[in-house]
Amino acid sequence: NAGVTQTPKFRILKIGQSMTLQCTQDMNHNYMYWYRQDPGMGLKLIYYSVGAGITDKGEVPNGYNVSRSTTEDFPLRLELAAPSQTSVYFCASSYGGAGLAATDTQYFGPGTRLTVL
Amino acid sequence: KQEVTQIPAALSVPEGENLVLNCSFTDSAIYNLQWFRQDPGKGLTSLLLIQSSQREQTSGRLNASLDKSSGRSTLYIAASQPGDSATYLCAVRPNYGGSQGNLIFGKGTKLSVKP
Repeated sequence: NAGVTQTPKFRILKIGQSMTLQCTQDMNHNYMYWYRQDPGMGLKLIYYSVGAGITDKGEVPNGYNVSRSTTEDFPLRLELAAPSQTSVYFCASSYGGAGLAATDTQYFGPGTRLTVL
Repeated sequence: KQEVTQIPAALSVPEGENLVLNCSFTDSAIYNLQWFRQDPGKGLTSLLLIQSSQREQTSGRLNASLDKSSGRSTLYIAASQPGDSATYLCAVRPNYGGSQGNLIFGKGTKLSVKP
C-alpha cells in the first residue's frame, strides 16, 4: 500500500493564479481531510469529507474548494491564490471519524509546499 | 473553543536521557488524543493514540498518558537516541456536535537529541 500520496511536492504560484492539489489514498478509508501548516504553527483543518460526494468546511475554508467524486481521491482547489495561502498542505485519511468510530488513526501524506508570490 | 498547548517549544538533550513532552488542552470533551512525529520536510507519523477512556498507551520506548479531567497528556521517551530528533505534535479529537473527526493540533515540541 502506498498510503496517502500527494502531488505536487512543491509549487510556486503568482498572485491570482489557480491550482489543484491532488490527494489519493489506497486504504479504502471513508474520511479524508485537508490541513494547512504555517511556519511554527500547528495544523489547521481546511475541509474534510466523510465519503464520496460529501464534504464540509473546517476551521479555515476561505479561498479553497474541494470535491470528492471517488473514495480514493480528494483534490483541493485554490482559486485566485493569495500570499496568505503560502503554507504546507497535508492531506490525511482515516477509516472512521465521528461517534464511536472516532477512535482510529489519521494517516498523513508527505505534504505539498506552496509559495504564492 | 478547544485549544492545545505544548510545552516546551524546543528541547535539546544528550543521548540516553529520559524525557517528557507536555500537552495541555482546554476542553475535556474529547474522543481521543494522538501524538505524532514530524520529520523536516515530511508528513506526520502517528505514534500513539489514547482513547478518552484510557489512561496511557505504550509503544516501545514511548509511553503516553492522558488525564482528561485536568486536560493534560505527557509523552515519555526513554533512553533517547539521535534518531528521535523531530518535532512532536499533540492533537485532540473534539467530542461535540458537528465535529466529524477533525483534529485540533498544538504547535509542537522540537526535540534535538545530541550524540
